[in-house]
Amino acid sequence: EAEVAQSPRYKITEKSQAVAFWCDPISGHATLYWYRQILGQGPELLVQFQDESVVDDSQLPKDRFSAERLKGVDSTLKIQPAELGDSAMYLCASSPGSRGSTEAFFGQGTRLTVV
Amino acid sequence: AQKVTQAQTEISVVEKEDVTLDCVYETRDTTYYLFWYKQPPSGELVFLIRRNSFDEQNEISGRYSWNFQKSTSSFNFTITASQVVDSAVYFCAPQGTSGSRLTFGEGTQLTVNP
Repeated sequence: EAEVAQSPRYKITEKSQAVAFWCDPISGHATLYWYRQILGQGPELLVQFQDESVVDDSQLPKDRFSAERLKGVDSTLKIQPAELGDSAMYLCASSPGSRGSTEAFFGQGTRLTVV
Repeated sequence: AQKVTQAQTEISVVEKEDVTLDCVYETRDTTYYLFWYKQPPSGELVFLIRRNSFDEQNEISGRYSWNFQKSTSSFNFTITASQVVDSAVYFCAPQGTSGSRLTFGEGTQLTVNP
């Protein structure tokens, strides 16, 4: 069964360092999402791609976060510099729908700890 | 924009009990979708159901059933004869058609004790 792949599963980084997460969506899925989930809360959308284009990054802290999906396939989310408050689970999801109103399949996430 | 309230933060039941998880949503969209996801301790979000706002028929899938009441903006989820493996955090999430982000609630932590 096709899955959304994320790496690494766990990441510990020091404050002010740069960190990057990678996501490989299910093959053929045009829509890719990055969500952040703080412990004890629900996931919150950071950025949404339709193919290689960003369609929603209204909640992305653009002073330190960046995301790209250069060939419309896999994606990288970067934080530079990391802050203590960035400690969270970062979830990637993909869906086949052209406007996203279909089931989203989630990866296992990257748990980030900033020390 | 959507908003969702899952008033039950934690629920604890004994195995084989029935349990209902409440979800109340707000949306300005005339057409929208409603989702339920399960998040076990391993962390990934597992899709359970997607419901179109035009379809108010209740749905049953095995031990799971969903009650969609558009008049009260509720989309409640019932697990019949709960099992220990049902222990997880459950999220309700509306999604508009004009914008496609899922808006997650705070989730309900369900613990099923043997």
